[in-house]
Amino acid sequence: DAKTTQPPSMDCAEGRAANLPCNHSTISGNEYVYWYRQIHSQGPQYIIHGLKNNETNEMASLIITEDRKSSTLILPHATLRDTAVYYCIVRAGGTSYGKLTFGQGTILTVHP
Amino acid sequence: GAGVSQTPSNKVTEKGKYVELRCDPISGHTALYWYRQSLGQGPEFLIYFQGTGAADDSGLPNDRFFAVRPEGSVSTLKIQRTERGDSAVYLCASSPQGGALYNEQFFGPGTRLTVL
Repeated sequence: DAKTTQPPSMDCAEGRAANLPCNHSTISGNEYVYWYRQIHSQGPQYIIHGLKNNETNEMASLIITEDRKSSTLILPHATLRDTAVYYCIVRAGGTSYGKLTFGQGTILTVHP
Repeated sequence: GAGVSQTPSNKVTEKGKYVELRCDPISGHTALYWYRQSLGQGPEFLIYFQGTGAADDSGLPNDRFFAVRPEGSVSTLKIQRTERGDSAVYLCASSPQGGALYNEQFFGPGTRLTVL
């Protein structure tokens, strides 16, 4: 699986957009970008995923650059409950696509 | 509906003892995953079941670790001769369609294992 690079921590004011970057410069053509988050003392929670087009759901938007070497997760109106560790994961196809390979993630702190 | 449940929520044991950790996946989910998370780190993959069989056990660190899913539902992670380095949160996840590239994994709250 391709390796991802994320900033270790970010801050955001409540009500503002949180933009979390991820670099995945070695991504292959059949690999998807996934985002999960983990709130303290809970298991990870799926947020969104995409291949090459921008995606939006009720939780967030995912913007993937045209060359697919990086992406940004956008939480449009961050709340205190969005404080968590956010993981960007690139997931391979083939026989190993059952597992998720987590990195260190970005600790997002949303403050009042 | 009910999510993934794991028991016990906390387990304290002594070095050298045997432990079993249980995972009840979401009903109907065919794929089940075990991960281990050390303090300050992201979850680390251990093993993945598709039905009753282990489809990928490449993450099991050594032969002290073993997992079963005899009826394709509940799974048990077994650790023999526990060591202090086994202390971690053990996470279980399930998904409705194992092997599909876009499937979502639903995680349980984890079992915190402490080896004294």
